[in-house]
Amino acid sequence: DADVTQTPRNRITKTGKRIMLECSQTKGHDRMYWYRQDPGLGLQLIYYSFDVKDINKGEISDGYSVSRQAQAKFSLSLESAIPNQTALYFCATSDLGIRALVSGANVLTFGAGSRLTVL
Amino acid sequence: AQSVTQLGSHVSVSEGALVLLRCNYSSSVPPYLFWYVQYPNQGLQLLLKYTTGATLVKGINGFEAEFKKSETSFHLTKPSAHMSDAAEYFCAVSEENQGGKLIFGQGTELSVKP
Repeated sequence: DADVTQTPRNRITKTGKRIMLECSQTKGHDRMYWYRQDPGLGLQLIYYSFDVKDINKGEISDGYSVSRQAQAKFSLSLESAIPNQTALYFCATSDLGIRALVSGANVLTFGAGSRLTVL
Repeated sequence: AQSVTQLGSHVSVSEGALVLLRCNYSSSVPPYLFWYVQYPNQGLQLLLKYTTGATLVKGINGFEAEFKKSETSFHLTKPSAHMSDAAEYFCAVSEENQGGKLIFGQGTELSVKP
């Protein structure tokens, strides 16, 4: 089984629908992230979480919300999907603990991605 | 603010030729630098990273990168391309006390011709 599992892998929906993308990990990592990938733009950070009680906005959080249900689970929701949210979404985890002194040099482990199409 | 620029959205080389993928960054403090690779229909995998110490960093699959502070660059190289190197490559930067957040470049797609 993959260390970071994303579901669904592919989803087609209509404008205005509520969508949830789920991420679960078996790495035991405290930190989890949601990124969005668009062609020619690289990856942009949507939200990140240092632990269950800590949620932070990233660069492009408007139109998105998240829930950290447990250490191992981090869900991304689109309350009312719009076509420009069509993208490839990645969940990632990192092995820095919340009390890590060196907080920049960690390595992210990515899921395989969830491709979302909003018609 | 941090930023990363990858020169060239698409690079094509012949099998056996040198691979050079360019990355320049901006950072107000000494950065941590990363190269990730994305194969089709997969997530990103770490190729290599620079944190401190030796400026020439070796990664997996024969890739290496050199941190040049004076040029604010972290270019990725491989002496001899293989067909299996065809993928998209992302340069990324993070800073101390940024919670592990990575700022990514726009990506460079590498094609390898037989």
